[in-house]
Amino acid sequence: NAGVTQTPKFRILKIGQSMTLQCTQDMNHNYMYWYRQDPGMGLKLIYYSVGAGITDKGEVPNGYNVSRSTTEDFPLRLELAAPSQTSVYFCASSRQGREQFFGPGTRLTVL
Amino acid sequence: AQSVTQLDSHVSVSEGTPVLLRCNYSSSYSPSLFWYVQHPNKGLQLLLKYTSAATLVKGINGFEAEFKKSETSFHLTKPSAHMSDAAEYFCVVTDNYGQNFVFGPGTRLSVLP
Repeated sequence: NAGVTQTPKFRILKIGQSMTLQCTQDMNHNYMYWYRQDPGMGLKLIYYSVGAGITDKGEVPNGYNVSRSTTEDFPLRLELAAPSQTSVYFCASSRQGREQFFGPGTRLTVL
Repeated sequence: AQSVTQLDSHVSVSEGTPVLLRCNYSSSYSPSLFWYVQHPNKGLQLLLKYTSAATLVKGINGFEAEFKKSETSFHLTKPSAHMSDAAEYFCVVTDNYGQNFVFGPGTRLSVLP
């Protein structure tokens, strides 16, 4: 039982490049979330999903896209990377109304 | 709408002394409340949770929190701080639907030898 896994752990992008952050959970949770955490700050919700095929915007969705084709996977896509997207990205999953389980994070730098 | 206020951005205690991290919330629903800990360069780990059962909740590593509806508070305490407790602590509120987890800004706990 691995919980929530994220890849890659670290990535450096150039402005305008694109990439996908991968997130997988093996707990059969319906709910999945993507957050970003800027230095010295709390977590801000980017997108979330309440089940396969259903996604919705969070507080800071601009510049990002998501999809949820399976219960297990919830990838986050950055289409045109910008320096403002330099952050640590956390994926989380939960059962409805229950505590969230977090992945180890992806540290992204855009230069 | 829900919100969370963590009253102190930084708390510093001496090893062996009590810890108090304060959290106040606002919610239109019967809330579920959580405390998470984040050690440097790590992910978030659940310390404890309140989900409408006992108002005094015990968590891992000797932490506990008390839900006080009249004060809309969920303060985190520990009788005796350990050096390994130095970390960032987040108070989180959600409604029963679990679609909207609202994080507080965090409190950084420093433990002095």
